[in-house]
Amino acid sequence: GIQVEQSPPDLILQEGANSTLRCNFSDSVNNLQWFHQNPWGQLINLFYIPSGTKQNGRLSATTVATERYSLLYISSSQTTDSGVYFCAVAANTGFQKLVFGTGTRLLVSP
Amino acid sequence: ETGVTQTPRHLVMGMTNKKSLKCEQHLGHNAMYWYKQSAKKPLELMFVYNFKEQTENNSVPSRFSPECPNSSHLFLHLHTLQPEDSALYLCASSQAFGVQAEAFFGQGTRLTVV
Repeated sequence: GIQVEQSPPDLILQEGANSTLRCNFSDSVNNLQWFHQNPWGQLINLFYIPSGTKQNGRLSATTVATERYSLLYISSSQTTDSGVYFCAVAANTGFQKLVFGTGTRLLVSP
Repeated sequence: ETGVTQTPRHLVMGMTNKKSLKCEQHLGHNAMYWYKQSAKKPLELMFVYNFKEQTENNSVPSRFSPECPNSSHLFLHLHTLQPEDSALYLCASSQAFGVQAEAFFGQGTRLTVV
């Protein structure tokens, strides 16, 4: 099945810094989503981005489907950005079964 | 109420108990999913329901029994669980096919088996 790798596994930032999280996947996809998991376990939808670029406030994401990777950019990080960021993809099989990466654990310190 | 709602949020059960997790979605989706998140492991897909029909069972032990009475409700019946089944169980919904098939997750049920 499709493989998803995220890097880095852990990231520590000072408040105000910028960061880039990467997601590599091993096969063609028709769905790619970025999530933020809060301390209570809920997965918050950040982006639905099987291709192209999107921006939402301080966050933006780019997926280059032909090269099988996606990037999540966090600018001017805040302590509330702390948590685990997951990339999840669904292969081009016509049905939405998300396969998750192992996540990037982000800690933003004041 | 909108989105995907799971109950209960926390559950502690003995190995001989029977309990059920409930998930309800108000997004008009036609596919629903159960995922398991154990410590130090990525989220694992357990079951998929498409238009109330189970289309995926990822080698899940029979002590986990899903039920999907309609497109808006999904249950996970639990019986004779083991301590290693302690995990966060997440429900999700999406459109099964199509261009905009974004998945949305509930808040999760944190299960502890004692």
